[in-house]
Amino acid sequence: AQSVTQLDSQVPVFEEAPVELRCNYSSSVSVYLFWYVQYPNQGLQLLLKYLSGSTLVKGINGFEAEFNKSQTSFHLRKPSVHISDTAEYFCAVSQGSGGSNYKLTFGKGTLLTVNP
Amino acid sequence: DAGVIQSPRHEVTEMGQEVTLRCKPISGHNSLFWYRQTMMRGLELLIYFNNNVPIDDSGMPEDRFSAKMPNASFSTLKIQPSEPRDSAVYFCASRVRGWSRPPGELFFGEGSRLTVL
Repeated sequence: AQSVTQLDSQVPVFEEAPVELRCNYSSSVSVYLFWYVQYPNQGLQLLLKYLSGSTLVKGINGFEAEFNKSQTSFHLRKPSVHISDTAEYFCAVSQGSGGSNYKLTFGKGTLLTVNP
Repeated sequence: DAGVIQSPRHEVTEMGQEVTLRCKPISGHNSLFWYRQTMMRGLELLIYFNNNVPIDDSGMPEDRFSAKMPNASFSTLKIQPSEPRDSAVYFCASRVRGWSRPPGELFFGEGSRLTVL
C-alpha cells in the first residue's frame, strides 16, 4: 500500500517570497507523483506530475517539484508567490505500474496563504 | 470545453432521507471516480468505474452507499438512508484510461457539498 505525508498543514508566506510545500511518500513499488491545487469552493486541478525521466518537473503557474527517490520526497516550490496562489495544495501518489495505477492516494493537503 | 459537471452543488437534508448526487464526466473519458472530502479524513476514493463498469468499490463506506454508471455520460452516487456523518464534499472526477500508458490527468468537478442534519 502507498501513503502520502504532507508535513505542513498550513504555510503562511508574504507575497513575492519563495515557498516550499513538503511531501513524502511511501511505496514498495515505483510510483507516479502529482501535485494538485484546490481553490476555494472548486475542484482539484493538476499542477504538475512526475511519471519518469527528469526528476525536476515544471508545472503551471510557475510551480516546480523535484522527485527525490532516495528521500522518497516530492516537494513543491515556487520562487516568488502571488496573492492568487492562496489555495490548498495536495500531493498524490499512484502505483507506477500494474493494474492498480488508477488509484491516486492523496495527502491531507497544505493550505498556502499568501499575505500582502 | 465543458468540464466534469456535478449536481447539486449544495444539498441540505435531514437524517434518514435519500440523497442522490449526479455526475456528467468529460466526453471521451472512460474512467470515472467518486471521492469524498472531509476535514478529518481528507480525500478518499469511494469507487472507480472503467468503461461504465465498477472496478474498485472498496472505499464505499457501507451498504447505505451505492453508485451506478448506466452509460458513459452519467453516474450517480446514492446514500440511503443518510446520516450526519455523511456530511462532506463529494467529488466526481474523470480521465482517459489507457492500459499501456501512465494514467492521464484526472479532471475534477466542482463538488457537491452535502450537509445531513
